Amino acid sequence: DAKTTQPNSMESNEEEPVHLPCNHSTISGTDYIHWYRQLPSQGPEYVIHGLTSNVNNRMASLAIAEDRKSSTLILHRATLRDAAVYYCILSVRDNAGNMLTFGGGTRLMVKP
Amino acid sequence: EPEVTQTPSHQVTQMGQEVILRCVPISNHLYFYWYRQILGQKVEFLVSFYNNEISEKSEIFDDQFSVERPDGSNFTLKIRSTKLEDSAMYFCASSEAQRSFEKLFFGSGTQLSVL
Repeated sequence: DAKTTQPNSMESNEEEPVHLPCNHSTISGTDYIHWYRQLPSQGPEYVIHGLTSNVNNRMASLAIAEDRKSSTLILHRATLRDAAVYYCILSVRDNAGNMLTFGGGTRLMVKP
Repeated sequence: EPEVTQTPSHQVTQMGQEVILRCVPISNHLYFYWYRQILGQKVEFLVSFYNNEISEKSEIFDDQFSVERPDGSNFTLKIRSTKLEDSAMYFCASSEAQRSFEKLFFGSGTQLSVL
C-alpha cells in the first residue's frame, strides 16, 4: 500500500489559516486521498477527500498537486476546536474492505 | 446528524474474562468496522464486516476476537479471553458502501482496561 508522510506536529494561531502538508510519492492512479482528524478523546472524524482536483467543503479545502505526489489540507481560519491530530490516508482499492491505514498524523496545536 | 454510538464508554475487566463491546452503526449503513488505538499509538484496523460476514481482517484479529450483528441495529466485538495487551480504545465505524472514496463514520470509542 502507498504510504504518506506528514510532519509530527504544527502550530497555528487562532483565526489564521493552516496548511497541513502530506507527501504520498508512491500514490497509484486509483488511490483517493482522504483526510481525517481525531479530536482529544474522540474517534476519527472525516474531513475531506479527493482524487485529482482540489476540493472544498464546509470544514476545509484540499489542494492536490498536479502530479498527485503531495497534497495540502487547508483550514481557512483555525479555531481552538480544530486542535487535533490530522491524518492523511490513501484509500485501499475498491472491494478490499475499505480499510483505512492510519499513520502517525500531524498534531495541530492552535494558540489563542 | 446521524452518528455511530458505542457502549459502554469505559469497560474494566480482569485478564482472562470475556468482554463484549457494542456499537450501533448509522441506520442505513451496510458496512461495519472495528479499529483500536493503544494509548499513544496509531489507530489500527481490526476487521470489516458486510452481509453477516467478515470481509477483511488484520493480523491483530486472531481467534480470540469475533464480531457479530445479532439483530438489525447492533454490531458487537467479543474478546473471548482478554489479555493485558488488549487494553486500548476500541472504535466502531460504519459506511454506506465500500468504495475507495467512501466516508467512514466513527463512534467515540470504548476504553477497555484489562487488569
